[in-house]
Amino acid sequence: SAVISQKPSRDICQRGTSLTIQCQVDSQVTMMFWYRQQPGQSLTLIATANQGSEATYESGFVIDKFPISRPNLTFSTLTVSNMSPEDSSIYLCSVVGGAITEAFFGQGTRLTVV
Amino acid sequence: KQEVTQIPAALSVPEGENLVLNCSFTDSAIYNLQWFRQDPGKGLTSLLLIQSSQREQTSGRLNASLDKSSGRSTLYIAASQPGDSATYLCAVRGSGGSNYKLTFGKGTLLTVNP
Repeated sequence: SAVISQKPSRDICQRGTSLTIQCQVDSQVTMMFWYRQQPGQSLTLIATANQGSEATYESGFVIDKFPISRPNLTFSTLTVSNMSPEDSSIYLCSVVGGAITEAFFGQGTRLTVV
Repeated sequence: KQEVTQIPAALSVPEGENLVLNCSFTDSAIYNLQWFRQDPGKGLTSLLLIQSSQREQTSGRLNASLDKSSGRSTLYIAASQPGDSATYLCAVRGSGGSNYKLTFGKGTLLTVNP
């Protein structure tokens, strides 16, 4: 299994500002994933972050709004830029462990934009 | 496009009852299926992972089954306890080129009453 530490756990931000969320894993992983969970909804994949290359974004998500860094095999950041109330969600970092590809998640960042 | 449906959306039971949560998916070409638990405002905890070649997995009071050909999985919880109260999410991982992506259902909100 993998242990994932995500910071901050929650934040309340003003519209128009940006927030950077950090994700630290206790082991080296090839791919890290960022998900969004809007209120009352299920999880939606934002992007896949590989070390040493640009992140791959899913349909509906763009790099200017959600820039991602992946400086090494244990760390990644997701920035939510120019925030609006519609960005209020839980953001989750995830990795896949081992040959059986079991997914593990951080504890999430609960973002409220006012 | 894979779609995952979970029924019921919410369930309330008295303590001690055995219960079944249902998950169905539209594309049977899956790599594996994973059940998660999510406490309010928190991240996801992996409960059980079933590979596409397996029929079921068990962990303590939990038993998950998979019928890939019919696109269905069930999560059986025996002798439910108030501490089992949470949202239970089902997710499938696609096979082939997209086998790193998870598609989630919207979850079943379980309340176990003392």
